[in-house]
Amino acid sequence: KNQVEQSPQSLIILEGKNCTLQCNYTVSPFSNLRWYKQDTGRGPVSLTIMTFSENTKSNGRYTATLDADTKQSSLHITASQLSDSASYICVVIPNSGNTGKLIFGQGTTLQVKP
Amino acid sequence: DGGITQSPKYLFRKEGQNVTLSCEQNLNHDAMYWYRQDPGQGLRLIYYSQIVNDFQKGDIAEGYSVSREKKESFPLTVTSAQKNPTAFYLCASSSVPGQEGGELFFGEGSRLTVL
Repeated sequence: KNQVEQSPQSLIILEGKNCTLQCNYTVSPFSNLRWYKQDTGRGPVSLTIMTFSENTKSNGRYTATLDADTKQSSLHITASQLSDSASYICVVIPNSGNTGKLIFGQGTTLQVKP
Repeated sequence: DGGITQSPKYLFRKEGQNVTLSCEQNLNHDAMYWYRQDPGQGLRLIYYSQIVNDFQKGDIAEGYSVSREKKESFPLTVTSAQKNPTAFYLCASSSVPGQEGGELFFGEGSRLTVL
């Protein structure tokens, strides 16, 4: 069964600190892997998109990595800000041609404290 | 500005009532999707549409219905047959049917509460 598991479930860090969120998946083969940021009560917004052949992708203070061999991805946030408080969702798109069949992780809730 | 508009933002429903959530996009996207989000769970696909006048069931379509009469609009009706409708509903669209490589844009969501 195609699955995406994220860890930790929740995380609290101090402003200015770095953190890393993990995503393990069993989806194979896959087309691409994405990270989204979702503020409370809002819709998700795309942070990064990586194809299976890419190892890393950056978007400002956000850097995503992908290890297709171990089926792991991580999202590293540098110099965290209060506005980084949100849920971060890992999404894997299977390379199966099935429209709409994105596999979503349950998300990691990050709280950045002053 | 281009984007996806969902309405209403909050909706309360009595048991036994049908309610319709609106989703409109001006991104000229062919594909549109409805997802349900519950606490501690990943988004689950309810219905999706790749083209006008065509749509397919997702993983949890029971108790829901949709229509796609216009490219810009993809309303979702939560019927009384849906046993546990209280949830956060997200509409999305993409330019590439099949989504592979196509960016997925989300609306701001509609929170439905059954009283």
